[in-house]
Amino acid sequence: SQTIHQWPATLVQPVGSPLSLECTVEGTSNPNLYWYRQAAGRGLQLLFYSVGIGQISSEVPQNLSASRPQDRQFILSSKKLLLSDSGFYLCAWSVVPGGFTLEQYFGPGTRLTVT
Amino acid sequence: ILNVEQSPQSLHVQEGDSTNFTCSFPSSNFYALHWYRWETAKSPEALFVMTLNGDEKKKGRISATLNTKEGYSYLYIKGSQPEDSATYLCAASAGTASKLTFGTGTRLQVTL
Repeated sequence: SQTIHQWPATLVQPVGSPLSLECTVEGTSNPNLYWYRQAAGRGLQLLFYSVGIGQISSEVPQNLSASRPQDRQFILSSKKLLLSDSGFYLCAWSVVPGGFTLEQYFGPGTRLTVT
Repeated sequence: ILNVEQSPQSLHVQEGDSTNFTCSFPSSNFYALHWYRWETAKSPEALFVMTLNGDEKKKGRISATLNTKEGYSYLYIKGSQPEDSATYLCAASAGTASKLTFGTGTRLQVTL
């Protein structure tokens, strides 16, 4: 069966510090991978998605970047965190056989607080 | 970017009540509509994916309908139970199968 891991679960970082959140998926190959953020009082916002190794699409201009160095690994990074980067970050995966979107499966999330 | 809206924002019902929520989305270039349940301290869990106008899906006491021509979907819960308490998210995709745009959710609280 497929599982998705995210770490760390919680993180408190000062403004201006770097960030690296990691997501790995097991039990599937060539998944689509996604990073979402839920800021306080807001819905889930798609930040990045990837359909393959090294292929990253950014949805909104922001202080963050993403990378996919391996098929089942997705990393969210920042060189210098802003207060507005605080939120709950979710990684998700899906498979798209024949171009048809199936459900997305979410990881446990990372609660990031920038102080 | 799609504009996906959900109503109501929150809902408080008693055990045994039936309830429903609405999700509206642009009908042009529609691809798929997803419903998720997000319980506190857990990950969002997929409930339904619907693509065709008139689709109806059911899972236990929860069901959903889809109207792609007018751009809305309803989620129904029959005989609400405290374990149904969660935030219910809908998400739509348009044009491309890969990207979902989520609404802000309906937060349901079911009390005894």
